[in-house]
Amino acid sequence: QVQLVESGGGVVQPGGSLRLSCAASGFTFSTYGMHWVRLTPGKGLQWVAFIRHDADNWYYMDSVTGRFTISRDNSKSMLYLQMNSLRAEDTAIYYCAKDFVPNILTGYYPDYWGQGTLVTVSS
Amino acid sequence: DIVLTQSPATLSLSPGERATLSCRASQSFNNYLAWYQQKPGQAPRLLIYDASRRATGIPARFSGSGSGTDFTLTINSLEPEDFAVYYCQHRGNWPWTFGQGTKVEIK
Repeated sequence: QVQLVESGGGVVQPGGSLRLSCAASGFTFSTYGMHWVRLTPGKGLQWVAFIRHDADNWYYMDSVTGRFTISRDNSKSMLYLQMNSLRAEDTAIYYCAKDFVPNILTGYYPDYWGQGTLVTVSS
Repeated sequence: DIVLTQSPATLSLSPGERATLSCRASQSFNNYLAWYQQKPGQAPRLLIYDASRRATGIPARFSGSGSGTDFTLTINSLEPEDFAVYYCQHRGNWPWTFGQGTKVEIK
């Protein structure tokens, strides 16, 4: 069955960096687009970033553009989120999620989600 | 960016009652809308996609409707396990966004 396991969360000071990882199994990773979505204390769910199955295109929410980078390694079935210049408002549980439909040029919807990793940005 | 506004923020109902949740968009995007359920400490679960299609394994008491800018999630005859937070999400254009959520609580 589909499994997504996030890691790399922790406590970081404002302005710092973290790299989140997501290990995928139970499906053909290289054929599905992947998402990062976060659950914030005050704003609920926020879609953060998407990367196409072939890593040939990617998209970000406005407030993380230029600070976060989504990437993937299809040979290892791994998804990553490099987060730089972190701010207090980035504090959240970060989920990786698999897209619903394989081999499409744009995303469809996230269907399977991991259990998340907590990122706390605080001095 | 497309802004999704969900109402009400909280819905207090009893088991067996019907829940009607609204999601209104700041601009039209056909039927490219999904609904998710999230319980405390759990990952979100996809319920409805493309406004009215039930995801695999989702009970028939969950239904979605609407198009353009107004969408509705209806839960017929609430079961105890349905009390949770529900989010709508669009894929009309980038960046995708979620609504702020509706909490369905036990009255």
